[in-house]
Amino acid sequence: EIVLTQSPGTLSLSPGETATLSCRASQSVSSSFLAWYQQKPGQAPRLLIYGASNRATGIPDRFSGSGSGTDFTLTISRLEPEDFAVYYCQQYGGSPLFTFGPGTKVDIK
Amino acid sequence: EVQLVESGGGLIQPGGSLRLSCAASGFTFSRKYMSWVRQAPGKGLEWVSAIYSAGSTYYADSVKGRFTISRDNSKNTLYIQMNTLRVEDTAVYYCARLSEKATALDYWGQGTLVTVSS
Repeated sequence: EIVLTQSPGTLSLSPGETATLSCRASQSVSSSFLAWYQQKPGQAPRLLIYGASNRATGIPDRFSGSGSGTDFTLTISRLEPEDFAVYYCQQYGGSPLFTFGPGTKVDIK
Repeated sequence: EVQLVESGGGLIQPGGSLRLSCAASGFTFSRKYMSWVRQAPGKGLEWVSAIYSAGSTYYADSVKGRFTISRDNSKNTLYIQMNTLRVEDTAVYYCARLSEKATALDYWGQGTLVTVSS
């Protein structure tokens, strides 16, 4: 089973700053199989990035994903007030079919 | 507009059974793979089960043998039958649609809360 680790656990930033979130896998993951989600309190998760670097429908271009192998990054440029949330990475394939990381909370400094 | 609406959650005693439903609209349900994901209170996301359009099913080890996923394409509805429920199954259960290449979950319902407690 591939285990995903996210860092930091919490990121405290101000609006307008850039957030850099890390997702590390316990073994190599195909870039095609790595996704990122945003979840706000009381809401369902929302797909942001799939295939490591492809923005989902309607996602602003201030969200970008990169990485390969075991190290992946979600970058949020010019943080907007609505971007303060919890972010999860997810990998697909094997058993279990989907695995999520523990999440990174981006909160207002 | 894609919509997924879960129902069927509630309070159930340990050892009990519950069936959740997810009504889908805004897309051709029969052609899409579907999944259930849960989130225990204050915790992260845990994938539970998936069903492909041809009927193949997949389960997390934590629910294998106790939960059964199914679909009724004539009703555009996804189900999960949950038996022998445990306290640790307490969570919000989300219905989600798999993306075009089935490697991500591109649309999610708002979730239904299942509480297992005596």
